[in-house]
Amino acid sequence: DAMVIQNPRYQVTQFGKPVTLSCSQTLNHNVMYWYQQKSSQAPKLLFHYYDKDFNNEADTPDNFQSRRPNTSFCFLDIRSPGLGDAAMYLCATSRDPGGLDTQYFGPGTRLTVL
Amino acid sequence: AQRVTQPEKLLSVFKGAPVELKCNYSYSGSPELFWYVQYSRQRLQLLLRHISRESIKGFTADLNKGETSFHLKKPFAQEEDSAMYYCALISGANNLFFGTGTRLTVIP
Repeated sequence: DAMVIQNPRYQVTQFGKPVTLSCSQTLNHNVMYWYQQKSSQAPKLLFHYYDKDFNNEADTPDNFQSRRPNTSFCFLDIRSPGLGDAAMYLCATSRDPGGLDTQYFGPGTRLTVL
Repeated sequence: AQRVTQPEKLLSVFKGAPVELKCNYSYSGSPELFWYVQYSRQRLQLLLRHISRESIKGFTADLNKGETSFHLKKPFAQEEDSAMYYCALISGANNLFFGTGTRLTVIP
């Protein structure tokens, strides 16, 4: 079943300890997105990859980085997590960029920062 | 700057009653609008987009540029419609910009 997979589903880290969240897809889509969703708030786009091209949103903190080693995988690295980074992190893919193409979401990783 | 407003965080209706989830937007260009839905324990998924002018699971949404609205409607709510609904538009950077969502509960 083609899908977007996120691991782990729940991640606990300590304040300041680097953490990496993983996303993989079997849809062979060109675009992969990372969203942050805090409690009772809208999903907010952090950045996306169109193939190997990285596109960072202007207000995404430098603390957040991403890697896409191949078409199937994309990682979200948080270099020094703060308490304010506790959130649900959603990965999504689309065949083409531009928003008009349907985005397919993973189940999310809930990050807790102690 | 773009803005998507969903004024109701929570909405409860009885089964069989009409339902309308409100969405208002602010955007300087010509908007492309969507409704995404998240059912309990499921992932966020596209419900419908205004350019398709289609009805999905009995839901429709009409873009009203005069009122800058894109309300989601269904004439007869079903229990399986209970979910979180997000209105979204494409920003100037061609990315999805979401509202804060409305949790719909359909009471049996």
